[in-house]
Amino acid sequence: KNQVEQSPQSLIILEGKNCTLQCNYTVSPFSNLRWYKQDTGRGPVSLTIMTFSENTKSNGRYTATLDADTKQSSLHITASQLSDSASYICVVSAGSSGDKLSFGTGTRFAVRP
Amino acid sequence: KAGVTQTPRYLIKTRGQQVTLSCSPISGHRSVSWYQQTPGQGLQFLFEYFSETQRNKGNFPGRFSGRQFSNSRSEMNVSTLELGDSALYLCASSLEGTARVTKTQYFGPGTRLLVL
Repeated sequence: KNQVEQSPQSLIILEGKNCTLQCNYTVSPFSNLRWYKQDTGRGPVSLTIMTFSENTKSNGRYTATLDADTKQSSLHITASQLSDSASYICVVSAGSSGDKLSFGTGTRFAVRP
Repeated sequence: KAGVTQTPRYLIKTRGQQVTLSCSPISGHRSVSWYQQTPGQGLQFLFEYFSETQRNKGNFPGRFSGRQFSNSRSEMNVSTLELGDSALYLCASSLEGTARVTKTQYFGPGTRLLVL
């Protein structure tokens, strides 16, 4: 069983709408959680990195939240744009030095005009 | 600064052959990690090199190997290719270790390998 579960697997929304992607993890001991955006045919690009003590972090229209107690994270996209269409991947680091990585399989996100 | 570069971008091989992929990290970055990405499995960690030493390793068979040179460039080798090795192979570099808390990884565009 994957230690990082993302939902939904895929999502289509209209341009200008908001949406939220979910990431639940069972990885322990937690070190940090990252959200990546991967455009088709390209490598992933880091959006946010959050440690145990951080419960929210923003990067432009992207806002990530973390609840370390329930082991859940969400990525909220505000006023979606066509360029937001991509896969969004949640990655959780574990271990005392944070060197054990667990990857979600990603949410495929499409914005329609 | 130039980003992470990977060569070749596309590659077609047949079963049983071997392949070598190359990755040039961002200038000044000493850590290079390799990942395999398939539609069904998502991103899977292969290994990480730091200062020419393998520091972390994922759960892949010994057919997958790598090395890092003194200029931080890295190569990944897959021997005796299998159909299931068809994937996008991504390389990522960072200033320090893979998961050092605030160290961002920068990914290259990947090498798409097709095994026939």
